[in-house]
Amino acid sequence: KAGVTQTPRYLIKTRGQQVTLSCSPISGHRSVSWYQQTPGQGLQFLFEYFSETQRNKGNFPGRFSGRQFSNSRSEMNVSTLELGDSALYLCASSLVGQINYGYTFGSGTRLTVV
Amino acid sequence: AQRVTQPEKLLSVFKGAPVELKCNYSYSGSPELFWYVQYSRQRLQLLLRHISRESIKGFTADLNKGETSFHLKKPFAQEEDSAMYYCALGLEGSGAGSYQLTFGKGTKLSVIP
Repeated sequence: KAGVTQTPRYLIKTRGQQVTLSCSPISGHRSVSWYQQTPGQGLQFLFEYFSETQRNKGNFPGRFSGRQFSNSRSEMNVSTLELGDSALYLCASSLVGQINYGYTFGSGTRLTVV
Repeated sequence: AQRVTQPEKLLSVFKGAPVELKCNYSYSGSPELFWYVQYSRQRLQLLLRHISRESIKGFTADLNKGETSFHLKKPFAQEEDSAMYYCALGLEGSGAGSYQLTFGKGTKLSVIP
């Protein structure tokens, strides 16, 4: 079965712009999480969605937001981009998001803010 | 605060030598621990869950609550084990039924032929 698909793979944006990243989870998976990966901070949790509801949010400013659709596909949005938002954004899906299950990660979207 | 520490950024070992990737955690509750691996140009993938007590690709990891450690071990390293390894702590999130992963900074394992 198809894995977690993230689009686009690469993005270059200008400071102050906004960006939308997309994630299609594994078929049947209802939990989608987003992580930011940077060389300095490593992998950091952004938020988690389950059945179109945000269940959990990490310690990121309000410029970072997301949503989940009825087919479990998810988008994350970053408004008023800053240089420090340059990172690899990873999406991960899980059947129901239970703690005993591991997440399946996508390949990520590499965002560069100039 | 919950924290995962991987003290080695880079670990180089010779093929056939034993490997131990260190992971220490800081958490007052009952931890759920994972090892993830990222091979070159591949996506991050789950290697081990502590709760399943499994051995994957010859790797094992034992939870030591007294030392708050979850070290990853393999008796004989292979060249294909070269990769980035991340230890992660699963924490219950604020929403019912949710959880999030807190990752260590990772250790790059290089197996020398």
